[in-house]
Amino acid sequence: DGGITQSPKYLFRKEGQNVTLSCEQNLNHDAMYWYRQDPGQGLRLIYYSQIVNDFQKGDIAEGYSVSREKKESFPLTVTSAQKNPTAFYLCASSRDRVRTEAFFGQGTRLTVV
Amino acid sequence: GENVEQHPSTLSVQEGDSAVIKCTYSDSASNYFPWYKQELGKRPQLIIDIRSNVGEKKDQRIAVTLNKTAKHFSLHITETQPEDSAVYFCAASKPTGNQFYFGTGTSLTVIP
Repeated sequence: DGGITQSPKYLFRKEGQNVTLSCEQNLNHDAMYWYRQDPGQGLRLIYYSQIVNDFQKGDIAEGYSVSREKKESFPLTVTSAQKNPTAFYLCASSRDRVRTEAFFGQGTRLTVV
Repeated sequence: GENVEQHPSTLSVQEGDSAVIKCTYSDSASNYFPWYKQELGKRPQLIIDIRSNVGEKKDQRIAVTLNKTAKHFSLHITETQPEDSAVYFCAASKPTGNQFYFGTGTSLTVIP
C-alpha cells in the first residue's frame, strides 16, 4: 500500500496536550484533505488544501490546525481546544480537486487518556 | 452546500443474494459520484464511480445507477460474497467545489 501514508497508526494523548498527525503522499497530487470518522457519522471534513501554502477550513475545523509547506505533506495538529478529539482520522489526496478519485491513507486512531 | 443522505445504515444479506445501497443528494450541480468500500480497520478504497453524463456503470458484480432528475444514485452488488462485508460510503462533488460530500455509510454483512 503505497501512495499516501499516515503515521502513527495509533496515538494516545493526555488531555491538554497538542498532538500532530502526519500525512505524506508521493502521488504528486495537488489536493489533500483531512477527515474525521466517528461511528454513524460518516466522514466529516476538517481541513483541505488545493495547493501548497494554502488551506481552507472544512465543516469541523474548530480545535484543529494544519500546514501545507510542501506538496507531499499535510500534517494535522489536534489542539487542546478540541473538545472531543478521540476519533479515527483519515487523510486523503486527489489529483484534480474533487473531480477525480480520492486516495486515502490507512488512518490514525487517536485516543485521549 | 451539498447534503448527501445514505440508506440503509445497516444491511444483512445471505451469500449469493443482491445488495442495494441508495444515496440522495441535494445540489443539482454535483456531477461526480464515487463509492468507497472500507473494510474493518482499513482505509476507504474506491470501488466504482459515475459521472453525471451517464446513467449506469458496471464492473463485474458491482454497478452504480444515477438518476439526475430525482437526484439519487445507487450501488448494486450481485452474487454477494462474505468478502463484500464492509462499510460502504457514497459521495458527491461539484465541478467548482473543493470537497467531497460523504454519506453516513452502510455497514453490509454477507452471511455465509
